[in-house]
Amino acid sequence: QPVLTQSSSASASLGSSVKLTCTLSCGHISYIIAWHQPQPGKAPRYLMKPEGSGSCTKGSGVPDRLSGSRSGADRYLTISNLQSEGEADYYCETWDSKIQDWVFGGGTKLTVL
Amino acid sequence: QLQLVQSGAEVKKPGSSVTVSCKASGGTFSNYATSWVRQAPGQGLEWMGGIIPIFGTANHAQKFQGRVTITADESTSTVYMDLNNLRSEDTAVYYCARETTVNSWDAGYWGQGTLVTVSS
Repeated sequence: QPVLTQSSSASASLGSSVKLTCTLSCGHISYIIAWHQPQPGKAPRYLMKPEGSGSCTKGSGVPDRLSGSRSGADRYLTISNLQSEGEADYYCETWDSKIQDWVFGGGTKLTVL
Repeated sequence: QLQLVQSGAEVKKPGSSVTVSCKASGGTFSNYATSWVRQAPGQGLEWMGGIIPIFGTANHAQKFQGRVTITADESTSTVYMDLNNLRSEDTAVYYCARETTVNSWDAGYWGQGTLVTVSS
């Protein structure tokens, strides 16, 4: 089963860009992931699912300032022109379709300075 | 637009059981994988298990084997999660989530969450 590793925290200045990383475990580096943002008292927000082919499925209303990319085992969520509402937790998710298990990373808490 | 509407908050005693429901409206239900994910206070998202209603068989995370039962009622487009032998560590917000498209497996749609509090 894949394991996803995220840094527990990150920080960046208002108006800057930040790149959050989610690393897939050995043997699973080709897996596709999705990014989510829990919202207190509301349904978590599905941000995007960047595909290996360069295409990306985005959630409703997710601005173009948020983008996904990958390199090897690493999957990235880049937030450009960081706004105060970007201060949140971000989780990556993947799945093992053979056994139908879902897996979440430990989450990164992003602080906007 | 698909909406997943969950049942209301619950307060339970240790050792008891809880059932949380998740009703889908505005979209197709039976062919899509729906999972249960929880978030305890100060903790991360944790996958508990899931089901594809048309197949009827659920799978569960190892951690919850023997304690969680996930079922679906196609006639009402509702998925249920039963968790038994509750302990204080089960206090969490429980979410249902459905994959975006068939076999996409990403949690594209989420319910609003159900707070389950386990306290004596």
